[in-house]
Formats: sequence, C-alpha cells, structure tokens
Amino acid sequence: KAGVTQTPRYLIKTRGQQVTLSCSPISGHRSVSWYQQTPGQGLQFLFEYFSETQRNKGNFPGRFSGRQFSNSRSEMNVSTLELGDSALYLCASSPSPWRVYNEQFFGPGTRLTVL
Amino acid sequence: GDSVTQMEGPVTLSEEAFLTINCTYTATGYPSLFWYVQYPGEGLQLLLKATKADDKGSNKGFEATYRKETTSFHLEKGSVQVSDSAVYFCALSDPSGGSNYKLTFGKGTLLTVNP
Repeated sequence: KAGVTQTPRYLIKTRGQQVTLSCSPISGHRSVSWYQQTPGQGLQFLFEYFSETQRNKGNFPGRFSGRQFSNSRSEMNVSTLELGDSALYLCASSPSPWRVYNEQFFGPGTRLTVL
Repeated sequence: GDSVTQMEGPVTLSEEAFLTINCTYTATGYPSLFWYVQYPGEGLQLLLKATKADDKGSNKGFEATYRKETTSFHLEKGSVQVSDSAVYFCALSDPSGGSNYKLTFGKGTLLTVNP
C-alpha cells in the first residue's frame, strides 16, 4: 500500500507570493491533517479535513487555508508569504473517524523556503 | 489547553546504553498517547501508542507506559543502536477537545547514538 505522498518536496518562494501544497492520503483514508514544523515552534496543527469538510483548525492566520477533494486528496494554500512561513509542512492521513484513538500516518513533508 | 512537555535534548549515548526520554502531559479529557520518530530528511513515523491508563506500548525494543496518576508517558529502550539516532516526539490526541484528529506534540528530543 502506498504511503502518504506530498508534492512538491521542496519549494522556494519570495515574500508576498502565494503557494499551494498537495497531499495524497493512503488509499481508503478519508481524514487528512496538516502540520507546520519549525525549529522554534516545533510541530503545530494547522487543520484537519474529513469528507471535504474542515473539522478542526489550529491557531494560524487566515492566510493559511486548505481544502479536500472528493477523492480525499488535500491541498493547503498560503497567501502573502512571510519569512516566518519557512517551514516543513507535513500532511497526515487517518483511516476512520470512528476509531477510538487517532493513529496518523505522515508524509515526507514539503520544505518551503521563503526568501 | 492540551500540552506535552518532553525532556530537552540533545541526548548523546554510546551503543548499547539504556535510553529514557521523559514525557509529561496536560489534557482536558482522557487522551491517547503516542511516540513518533523522525529520521533525518523524513516525515514522522509512529513508534508506539497507548490509549488507556496502564497500557504499555512497545515496538522495536522501545517501550512506554501510560501513567495517568503521574500524567507521564516516558520512552525507554534497554540497548540503543546507532540506527536509533533520530528525533523523538511525544504526542497526545484528546477527543474531548472536539477532534480526535488533532495531535499535540512535544518539542522533540534529538538522540545521537555513537558506535
């Protein structure tokens, strides 16, 4: 079974630009979550989608948005990029919302550098 | 809100040494607890999990026991190998927070094992 895939793996943008990152979950997984990883703040939850609906959102400004498609693939968008948005963006998928616990499977991440 | 505190690194050990990485948590409800590992240049991999008090998660020689009375989930391994060198993250998911799919992470502990 293929794992979570994220594209692109590396991205360089300049301040003020916008960027779109893509995530394909494990086949059959319907929940997709996004996390930002930085040396200073560590791993922080961005948002979670299930069946094309955002169910939970972290404490990030409105410049960060996302969506999920009917095939469970997800995209996140960051507009008006700032230097502080430089980070590793991780996507994770989960098999079912009815499980007692949350076991998430992570992709390799997209490394975004803002110059 | 929920939080996870884990011991600051880096931790440097010789091969075959005993490893302990401390982790304590604060949660509103009754969380599930996880240890994830991140190897250089990769995403997160689930190492082990526990979903209720006194559960012991184990995998690849690593163990952690869910201690509700001390709100702790310390990671241990009896004999580390060079290949265990990585960053280790303690995490929780708390269904009472409204979503079972939001992971709250500790800051991570870098482990280096020397031959």
